[in-house]
Amino acid sequence: EAGVVQSPRYKIIEKKQPVAFWCNPISGHNTLYWYRQNLGQGPELLIRYENEEAVDDSQLPKDRFSAERLKGVDSTLKIQPAELGDSAVYLCASSLGLAASTDTQYFGPGTRLTVL
Amino acid sequence: KNQVEQSPQSLIILEGKNCTLQCNYTVSPFSNLRWYKQDTGRGPVSLTIMTFSENTKSNGRYTATLDADTKQSSLHITASQLSDSASYICVVSELTNAGKSTFGDGTTLTVKP
Repeated sequence: EAGVVQSPRYKIIEKKQPVAFWCNPISGHNTLYWYRQNLGQGPELLIRYENEEAVDDSQLPKDRFSAERLKGVDSTLKIQPAELGDSAVYLCASSLGLAASTDTQYFGPGTRLTVL
Repeated sequence: KNQVEQSPQSLIILEGKNCTLQCNYTVSPFSNLRWYKQDTGRGPVSLTIMTFSENTKSNGRYTATLDADTKQSSLHITASQLSDSASYICVVSELTNAGKSTFGDGTTLTVKP
């Protein structure tokens, strides 16, 4: 069975440019997460979806970040415009969504974003 | 504010040696604690999960312990291998708040031949 798929794996852009990341979760997983991970730190949750509904987006910088999960499967995270401080690894994870507190999250390999 | 603190920040050991990583947390109400292994350039992979009533859990050469009273956990790695070189992240989830998880910053382990 395929794991969580993310693309692109690497992205280099200049500041003020837009960028988008794509995630395809494990088949049958209802919950999808987007995290940002800075070097030497643990992942920070940006947004969590239950099917197509964003149930926790409290940490998403809404002035420049947006996300969508159409049809409750694939998801896209967008940054517009990008800033130097956005350089990080963006991780997507998915879980079954049966019991939130004990659900195991399966992570994708991440997209490493460099903003010049 | 819920916090997860890990120590040491980094650790270098020789192949074949044992090591123990520490995790202290303030997350409340507590639901479960997980240890993840994150190889360079990869996403984290779950190693163990422990709920309130469990005080030890093993996964091969990895053994996690939990003291819910003192809010401490440890991950013990036995007979280390070069492939154990990675970042080990402690994650604590809340019983309420839709099971929200708080991640530690990880311990970077380097195993040298």
